[in-house]
Amino acid sequence: AQKITQTQPGMFVQEKEAVTLDCTYDTSDPSYGLFWYKQPSSGEMIFLIYQGSYDQQNATEGRYSLNFQKARKSANLVISASQLGDSAMYFCAMRETTGNQFYFGTGTSLTVIP
Amino acid sequence: DTEVTQTPKHLVMGMTNKKSLKCEQHMGHRAMYWYKQKAKKPPELMFVYSYEKLSINESVPSRFSPECPNSSLLNLHLHALQPEDSALYLCASSQVRPPGLVSSETGELFFGEGSRLTVL
Repeated sequence: AQKITQTQPGMFVQEKEAVTLDCTYDTSDPSYGLFWYKQPSSGEMIFLIYQGSYDQQNATEGRYSLNFQKARKSANLVISASQLGDSAMYFCAMRETTGNQFYFGTGTSLTVIP
Repeated sequence: DTEVTQTPKHLVMGMTNKKSLKCEQHMGHRAMYWYKQKAKKPPELMFVYSYEKLSINESVPSRFSPECPNSSLLNLHLHALQPEDSALYLCASSQVRPPGLVSSETGELFFGEGSRLTVL
């Protein structure tokens, strides 16, 4: 079974609007971390935001927030006030307690339209 | 210093060449990773080193040979590659301690900018 599922291969959003990128995960580990990365066309993987499984509040980092629904095993990324520079691939990832392995989703390609 | 530096940024090699990709970090991370990534696909894990010892090898062909000379350096030696090995090779590092139980530590992967490899 896939550890991380991203069901939106491509998304479009109007500049200045908000957009939600979906991510669901599968783990039986009670302790885990969830991450979102942005990868522009230049190739660099940029860490955006982190949510720990024991965190009581949703994580926020500037225009990025994470809608964490533990019971549903979802960790959706919300980008507010989209900018042209937000156009990129976005990957959701998970790290469990055991081992040093990170599991990546298949990614969502976001295009911001002027 | 929160950087992972990779060299070279671009590499073109023939199928009979021997070359190496290099990666360096000075964040005190004791886990280091090599990923292979094709366009519009997620990174595929190749190798993980933990405390300078190979801990994960994802059934990578022997034409890729990793080396971790010390806690700051990670190399990937390339020999007799195939055109299908052309890809972006990403190095990353992280704390060995996993996230979740220690609230102040996120344990995220720090990536280098990648080495774009073309095999002719």
